[in-house]
Amino acid sequence: DAGVTQSPTHLIKTRGQQVTLRCSPKSGHDTVSWYQQALGQGPQFIFQYYEEEERQRGNFPDRFSGHQFPNYSSELNVNALLLGDSALYLCASSLTGTSTFYSSYEQYFGPGTRLTVT
Amino acid sequence: GIQVEQSPPDLILQEGANSTLRCNFSDSVNNLQWFHQNPWGQLINLFYIPSGTKQNGRLSATTVATERYSLLYISSSQTTDSGVYFCAVGNRDDKIIFGKGTRLHILP
Repeated sequence: DAGVTQSPTHLIKTRGQQVTLRCSPKSGHDTVSWYQQALGQGPQFIFQYYEEEERQRGNFPDRFSGHQFPNYSSELNVNALLLGDSALYLCASSLTGTSTFYSSYEQYFGPGTRLTVT
Repeated sequence: GIQVEQSPPDLILQEGANSTLRCNFSDSVNNLQWFHQNPWGQLINLFYIPSGTKQNGRLSATTVATERYSLLYISSSQTTDSGVYFCAVGNRDDKIIFGKGTRLHILP
């Protein structure tokens, strides 16, 4: 059973550049969520994608955008990188059911992409 | 928004000891998960437990939704149990909120 995969593992970028991170969900899952984890903190929710649309977003600026493809994989794009964007970026997948609340489904996480902005 | 507090923030134990980690939340939840984050950053699912009690080997968890807390029990600790334990909740705002974690050190 293929779990959640992310690429690349590590990335170093310069302030002002743009970056794209990739995620493939667990087999059978249709929903992808992205999180940012700063050193020593818990992960913070960025946004969630389902049926190729963003359906929930956390308190992140528009510099953070995403996309979901027909095969359910997803990309996270960050423009105009700031030093404060340095963090571990985690992707989680879940299977959307019939509940009213998208947040009610069990999340499975990938290994993360560690982004360093210099 | 909902607040999630985990305690204690740090815990140091000898191998073989038992421990209890606590997660308090400030509003009703529709999801509660416990994760173990290993030194490489991977979040490993321990329990999906919005209510009730579950057990998996040396680990067990209880969520009392009406009193807004969850407990994670680790018995007969091993050095491989070291790492950070996170509680994450989902609520009516439809977002997943993580606590700041409990850092567990198991000494040989």
